[in-house]
Amino acid sequence: AQSVTQLDSHVSVSEGTPVLLRCNYSSSYSPSLFWYVQHPNKGLQLLLKYTSAATLVKGINGFEAEFKKSETSFHLTKPSAHMSDAAEYFCVVSDMNRDDKIIFGKGTRLHILP
Amino acid sequence: GAVVSQHPSRVICKSGTSVKIECRSLDFQATTMFWYRQFPKQSLMLMATSNEGSKATYEQGVEKDKFLINHASLTLSTLTVTSAHPEDSSFYICSARAVKSVEQYFGPGTRLTVT
Repeated sequence: AQSVTQLDSHVSVSEGTPVLLRCNYSSSYSPSLFWYVQHPNKGLQLLLKYTSAATLVKGINGFEAEFKKSETSFHLTKPSAHMSDAAEYFCVVSDMNRDDKIIFGKGTRLHILP
Repeated sequence: GAVVSQHPSRVICKSGTSVKIECRSLDFQATTMFWYRQFPKQSLMLMATSNEGSKATYEQGVEKDKFLINHASLTLSTLTVTSAHPEDSSFYICSARAVKSVEQYFGPGTRLTVT
């Protein structure tokens, strides 16, 4: 069975400092992995996705994530946080070869300190 | 790129009434659509998966007679909350996936408040 664990429910960083949001997954097959961002009272926006191509994936707004199969991780990073990055971030795993479902992590709330 | 719309964005209804939420894929054909529910400050919970022209598959614990899902065309799915109660108040989000695609495109969500 697939599962995804976001290790931190809240992360606080100062503006201009690096961001690290951690995600570990479990999948019996080769998964597709995604990061979505949700701003308050808004829908979901895709940041980036991994679908078995390059292991380092670059997304929008300066975010990137690295797929590490040996560590079953897909952590989201950004070199320098901006105030507008404050939001909820969801790590998502999907296995199209097995079923239609995607599994959401519980989310990480990113706080940006001035 | 792929856009999914939801209507209405917000709805307030009285307890006991029914509410219909529409989910449309605007620029692609969605063979599969998904309905999620999000409680405040929580993650999304998959309610059901629907394939065009067939019955929806509901997740365990989701009442299919209460949450009626119809996916009559490749661009439209509807979720009807029947006999709504205050505990049905939530943020409902749909997503759509095109043929042979791994990615789901999410709608902006519908805030349902049952008074």
